[in-house]
Amino acid sequence: AQSVTQLGSHVSVSEGALVLLRCNYSSSVPPYLFWYVQYPNQGLQLLLKYTSAATLVKGINGFEAEFKKSETSFHLTKPSAHMSDAAEYFCAVSDFPGNTPLVFGKGTRLSVIA
Amino acid sequence: EAQVTQNPRYLITVTGKKLTVTCSQNMNHEYMSWYRQDPGLGLRQIYYSMNVEVTDKGDVPEGYKVSRKEKRNFPLILESPSPNQTSLYFCASSSSSGSTYEQYFGPGTRLTVT
Repeated sequence: AQSVTQLGSHVSVSEGALVLLRCNYSSSVPPYLFWYVQYPNQGLQLLLKYTSAATLVKGINGFEAEFKKSETSFHLTKPSAHMSDAAEYFCAVSDFPGNTPLVFGKGTRLSVIA
Repeated sequence: EAQVTQNPRYLITVTGKKLTVTCSQNMNHEYMSWYRQDPGLGLRQIYYSMNVEVTDKGDVPEGYKVSRKEKRNFPLILESPSPNQTSLYFCASSSSSGSTYEQYFGPGTRLTVT
């Protein structure tokens, strides 16, 4: 069965500092991996996705994530945090999206301190 | 504009009073699903549908019903709501499958059952 673990329910960084949000997954087959962002009082928006092409995936708003099969990880990074990045971030995995459901992690809330 | 709409956005009701949350998408997507979001638990799938008249249970289907009579609509029905169904609900629809997959979320429905 697929599962996702997001380390740290809350991460706080200073404005301009590196953002690192951790995601580890388990899957019996090569997975499809996703990062979503949820701003306050809004729905979820896709940041980026890994679909077995390049292992370094670039997304919107300057975020990127690297798929590391040996570590079963898909950590999300951004070189320099901006106040507008404050939101909740969800990692999700699926064996074959569209045929099997997305399984979400519990989320990491990112705070950015001025 | 491509979108997933949900109504109502906010609902306060009492235990046992049947309610329906509507969901509609204008992207001709085949795959639709319902999630609930609870603090510290992330998103959990309630039901999903891979096409008209094809629905299946997700991780937390108890107390919910769905129907898919038209491709664009996927209502969520709570026949006898209980306080433990107080939550934030999201409808989502998905394009295609595999590497071109992308899931679009509605804005959410905040339900309170007293």
